[in-house]
Amino acid sequence: DVQMTQSPSSLSASVGDRVTITCRASQSINSHLSWYQQKPGKPPKSLIYSASSLQSGVPSRFSGRGSGTEFTLTINNLQPEDFATYFCQQSDSIPLTFGGGTKVEIK
Amino acid sequence: EVQLEQSGAEVKKPGESLKISCKASGYTFTTYWIGWVRQMPGKGLEWMGIIYPADSGIRYAPSFQGQVTISVDKYINTAYLQWRSLKASDTAIYYCARHPGTYCSDSTCYGGEQDGVDVWGQGTTVIVSS
Repeated sequence: DVQMTQSPSSLSASVGDRVTITCRASQSINSHLSWYQQKPGKPPKSLIYSASSLQSGVPSRFSGRGSGTEFTLTINNLQPEDFATYFCQQSDSIPLTFGGGTKVEIK
Repeated sequence: EVQLEQSGAEVKKPGESLKISCKASGYTFTTYWIGWVRQMPGKGLEWMGIIYPADSGIRYAPSFQGQVTISVDKYINTAYLQWRSLKASDTAIYYCARHPGTYCSDSTCYGGEQDGVDVWGQGTTVIVSS
């Protein structure tokens, strides 16, 4: 199985900050990397697919980069509604696997 | 609007059986893989498996193979997740999820270009306790 490692596991930030979350794969996954946002008591929400493509309706302050084994999710101008937990997921090979999550908290 | 509507919360005893459902609407059910993701209390997301409704081609994560059964009724646009004998460790929220990508079963590949999950159900809470 492909292991996905996210860092940091949590971070504190302020409204207006830029935040970057990293996801590393244990082997190359090409660009088959997705990002999800989850708020407490809610299902995940799909943000980005194919490493850098925004899902319909996702604000442009979210962006994704990377290929191979290293990927980033950047949130520019952090908004109050962005405080949540973020997960990456590889879909290059079955079983699809998720990173452990990054909790973005209010400083 | 594409929607996945899941069945309601369940409270069961160890050893009991259970089948939860996920009804899809707003798209052609038979042309997308659909699967299940587990989230244990306070934990992350775990991918369980997917099924292709057109022919019931199926792929499981090794850790869930033999522990659960994923099935589908393409005539009523509904996917299922089933347990024969629940354990306390099955306590979790289970999400159904549409997978728009291409995956293969028995050397036959189906699907589209977009990877990951694009649509999620609202989740079904399963509590297993004596």
